[in-house]
Amino acid sequence: DSGVTQTPKHLITATGQRVTLRCSPRSGDLSVYWYQQSLDQGLQFLIQYYNGEERAKGNILERFSAQQFPDLHSELNLSSLELGDSALYFCASSPVKYGSIGAGELFFGEGSRLTVL
Amino acid sequence: AQSVTQLGSHVSVSEGALVLLRCNYSSSVPPYLFWYVQYPNQGLQLLLKYTTGATLVKGINGFEAEFKKSETSFHLTKPSAHMSDAAEYFCAVSNNQGGKLIFGQGTELSVKP
Repeated sequence: DSGVTQTPKHLITATGQRVTLRCSPRSGDLSVYWYQQSLDQGLQFLIQYYNGEERAKGNILERFSAQQFPDLHSELNLSSLELGDSALYFCASSPVKYGSIGAGELFFGEGSRLTVL
Repeated sequence: AQSVTQLGSHVSVSEGALVLLRCNYSSSVPPYLFWYVQYPNQGLQLLLKYTTGATLVKGINGFEAEFKKSETSFHLTKPSAHMSDAAEYFCAVSNNQGGKLIFGQGTELSVKP
């Protein structure tokens, strides 16, 4: 158990819909990262938050957005869903203070599997 | 920019044989390097990491990896494969400033009895 909790574990929805994925980081971790894993794209970094602020953006579509709340949990919002958005979405957290020299180890949740029909 | 290339999307070995999974990286700054393992229907679990210091790094489950700067490589090895090692393995690089990890495409390891 990594200590990172993601809900829901599975989600099936239709094209055009909107979903929200939730992540609770490990206790004390201020950084949260979102990754998308698909067969054709592999593990793609989407976005990073540190203590409520967006710190880095990767290959995140404009239809997707995220935020980190004061209690440090994070949500990834996916809207106008397309078939190609079907994937496993991982959240990870890190104890390393942003900008400091650190080992950068990420602790991953078990993922939310999204199926768009 | 940083990137990782894993050579071979599928590797198959016999139980008891040497496991060698290849990873090459590109980084403009001294890299931190990681190997993660993903078992079916699970998240990623850290196997080992290289930060600074000793270039031969030992991890969990008998795995080790050697950082070779001259070859920009960080190959993962295990002397004797077990059936339980069957999983997908990911090599990753970071910029050592608390930032994101960049992952390779992954290598699926199969272990034959």
